[in-house]
Amino acid sequence: NAGVMQNPRHLVRRRGQEARLRCSPMKGHSHVYWYRQLPEEGLKFMVYLQKENIIDESGMPKERFSAEFPKEGPSILRIQQVVRGDSAAYFCASSPGNEKLFFGSGTQLSVL
Amino acid sequence: QKEVEQNSGPLSVPEGAIASLNCTYSDRGSQSFFWYRQYSGKSPELIMSIYSNGDKEDGRFTAQLNKASQYVSLLIRDSQPSDSATYLCAVTHEAGTALIFGKGTTLSVSS
Repeated sequence: NAGVMQNPRHLVRRRGQEARLRCSPMKGHSHVYWYRQLPEEGLKFMVYLQKENIIDESGMPKERFSAEFPKEGPSILRIQQVVRGDSAAYFCASSPGNEKLFFGSGTQLSVL
Repeated sequence: QKEVEQNSGPLSVPEGAIASLNCTYSDRGSQSFFWYRQYSGKSPELIMSIYSNGDKEDGRFTAQLNKASQYVSLLIRDSQPSDSATYLCAVTHEAGTALIFGKGTTLSVSS
């Protein structure tokens, strides 16, 4: 039973490019959460999605960031026109619907 | 603004000692409480959950919750060098809402 799968593990982008981060939840999990982590910082909630719906995006920056979880396929976190401040580890977690979250290995985004 | 506070540490204990990690939260309506362990460069891993006041034991780990004081703690007995990691406290108001994490406490167990 595969865990939460995130790809890519590492992503390098130049300023102004787009970053697309993918997350496939654990089998049977229909709830997906995205968190961002900076060095020496805790996990900052960004967005919570269920299949085809955004449930809570209160932690998502209003501009340049978007997320989706389509009926088929992985959840995508999209960052347009990246800036150096977007450099961070982005973690996806999934849940069967209770509060217990299982995390993927994360995507380390580096913006040059 | 819902907040979860933890001392960043580092907390240093010798092998075999008890490590005590503390966490306070601001949302009095919080219902569920979790401890995650995160090794350097790795993803967080759930180690304990607690929902009602009192103690909950699982092996060498004991979680303690006091809702009146808005305080949750994690005790690690017989600490091992392999316990050296950052421990993240997480709180949620109800099922279906996002977990709010503290910044974590770094634990170092020396052999």
